[in-house]
Parts: sequence; C-alpha cells; structure tokens
Amino acid sequence: GQQVMQIPQYQHVQEGEDFTTYCNSSTTLSNIQWYKQRPGGHPVFLIQLVKSGEVKKQKRLTFQFGEAKKNSSLHITATQTTDVGTYFCAGHSGNTPLVFGKGTRLSVIA
Amino acid sequence: NAGVTQTPKFRILKIGQSMTLQCAQDMNHNYMYWYRQDPGMGLKLIYYSVGAGITDKGEVPNGYNVSRSTTEDFPLRLELAAPSQTSVYFCASKIGTGAYEQYFGPGTRLTVT
Repeated sequence: GQQVMQIPQYQHVQEGEDFTTYCNSSTTLSNIQWYKQRPGGHPVFLIQLVKSGEVKKQKRLTFQFGEAKKNSSLHITATQTTDVGTYFCAGHSGNTPLVFGKGTRLSVIA
Repeated sequence: NAGVTQTPKFRILKIGQSMTLQCAQDMNHNYMYWYRQDPGMGLKLIYYSVGAGITDKGEVPNGYNVSRSTTEDFPLRLELAAPSQTSVYFCASKIGTGAYEQYFGPGTRLTVT
C-alpha cells in the first residue's frame, strides 16, 4: 500500500536557525497536506498543496510540492520557540484515505 | 461550534476489559475517522466512515469496532483490551469527499495494564 516517509525524525535547532522537513511518497499523490501537533495536543491543519511544483508561504513557513507529486517539503525560516512541535505530512492517492508520515519533531533551543 | 469532541480524556483499562471511546462533531461533516498514535509512529487509521450507516476498515482495525448511526457520532469500541492497544486515540472529521482538511478532536489517552 501507499507509504509516506518523513525525514528527519527529530531536529533540534537554536532559535533563529532555519528548519526543513522532507516528505516522500511511494506513489504519486493527488494532494498533500501538512499538520502541526504541539506537545500534548492534537494535529492541526496547516496547508494543502495540489498542483505539481506548487509553492505556498505562510509567514515564515514555505511549503513545496514536487514536480512529480511524490515529495514535499516544509521550510521554516528563523525558528521561534512557538514553532516547537511535530510536523506531519499526509498524502492522498486517488480515493484512498489520507496516509500520514511519522512526523518530524522540532525542538527549538532559546 | 464545539468542533470535534472526545470523551474520556484519559482511561486506564485492565487486560480483557471493554470500553467505548466517544466522538462527536457538530460541523455536519460526512466523513469521520479514528486514528491511534503511538510514540514516534505517526497516525495510523483504524476505521473511517463516509456517512451515517457506512463504515470501513483502515490500516489497523483488529481489536476495534465502530458504528455510525448518526452524522454527529462515531464511537469506537474496544473489546477485550490488550496492552498493545495502549495509545492515544484521535477522532477526526472532514466535510466531504475530496481533498479537505481534517479537524481533530483533543484525543483520548488509553493505558491497558
């Protein structure tokens, strides 16, 4: 079945450094979604990418969808302590339910 | 709107006991989902429903049962609890078919000892 892999599993950064997490799918995706889960919280939707090569920005966060629609990335510029949490990508392939990656846990050292 | 609500927040079960995790949403969403989240393992889909009266298995359905008698409610039943079912359980919903965001409930932390 469809698999979604995310790297790295953990990332520790100094406040102000940049952060990137990568997502790769075993199959071509219809779309990809990104969620953030704060420690002890529940996943919260951040964004969805649909088009090949699409790039979207939300303040310091930049999301990209690969040309082949099999990979995606989330880049955070100048991390802040409020960015702490686990970032999940999740992909749809056809009519199958969303498949989540294992997530990247971000720690920010002030 | 309360969004997606889940009860209880925490529960400790003994091996072999049964329980029902409750999930309700007040957004008139057709699709509802149950996930379990183990440490470092992401979210695994247990069961989902595309509307009242319709349910389908996800990736890890063994040991669980669901029903969907109304649009609002989607309870998850654990029969004969086992330690392997110790996890955090999240319920989620989305408005309909297609690529829409999922709204998650606050979760139920279950320990089976």
